[in-house]
Amino acid sequence: AQSVTQLDSQVPVFEEAPVELRCNYSSSVSVYLFWYVQYPNQGLQLLLKYLSGSTLVKGINGFEAEFNKSQTSFHLRKPSVHISDTAEYFCAVSDAGYQKVTFGIGTKLQVIP
Amino acid sequence: DGGITQSPKYLFRKEGQNVTLSCEQNLNHDAMYWYRQDPGQGLRLIYYSQIVNDFQKGDIAEGYSVSREKKESFPLTVTSAQKNPTAFYLCASTAGSNEQFFGPGTRLTVL
Repeated sequence: AQSVTQLDSQVPVFEEAPVELRCNYSSSVSVYLFWYVQYPNQGLQLLLKYLSGSTLVKGINGFEAEFNKSQTSFHLRKPSVHISDTAEYFCAVSDAGYQKVTFGIGTKLQVIP
Repeated sequence: DGGITQSPKYLFRKEGQNVTLSCEQNLNHDAMYWYRQDPGQGLRLIYYSQIVNDFQKGDIAEGYSVSREKKESFPLTVTSAQKNPTAFYLCASTAGSNEQFFGPGTRLTVL
């Protein structure tokens, strides 16, 4: 069975500072990994995904994530955050070839002016 | 534009009533999903369907029912057997890489 752990429920950060949102997963097979963003009262939007190949994945809005197989992690980073990045971020994992996706409980990013 | 639509955006239900949430997609995706979102609990899978006329229970299917008569449509019924239905409900469909495309959600409140 697959699972996802998002280690921080809330992350406050000052505007223009860097941020890292942590995600660890467990799975017994090859995985696909995702980060989604959710703004209040909206659906989720894909930020980036890892399927295979390069372990550094770049996404929209200046975000990137690095797949680390030995540490079973997929942390999300941005070098300089903006007020508009205030949202909730979800890490997700699925076993490659299997269509069920498991989501973490989310991390709320609060950007402080 | 291709995408997923959910209706209504807000829904109020009296205790003991069944209600149906609509989900339609024009992405030509085979697989569709229903999730329930509660504060601090992330997304929990209610039901999913990988093909027309077939669906499987997710982690919290009790008190819910679905149908998949058409590829484009995957309605969710919240029955009176669901004891705590107040939540935000999200519908999604999946591309081949398991990337999920989400609708805007329906917020259900029990009065």
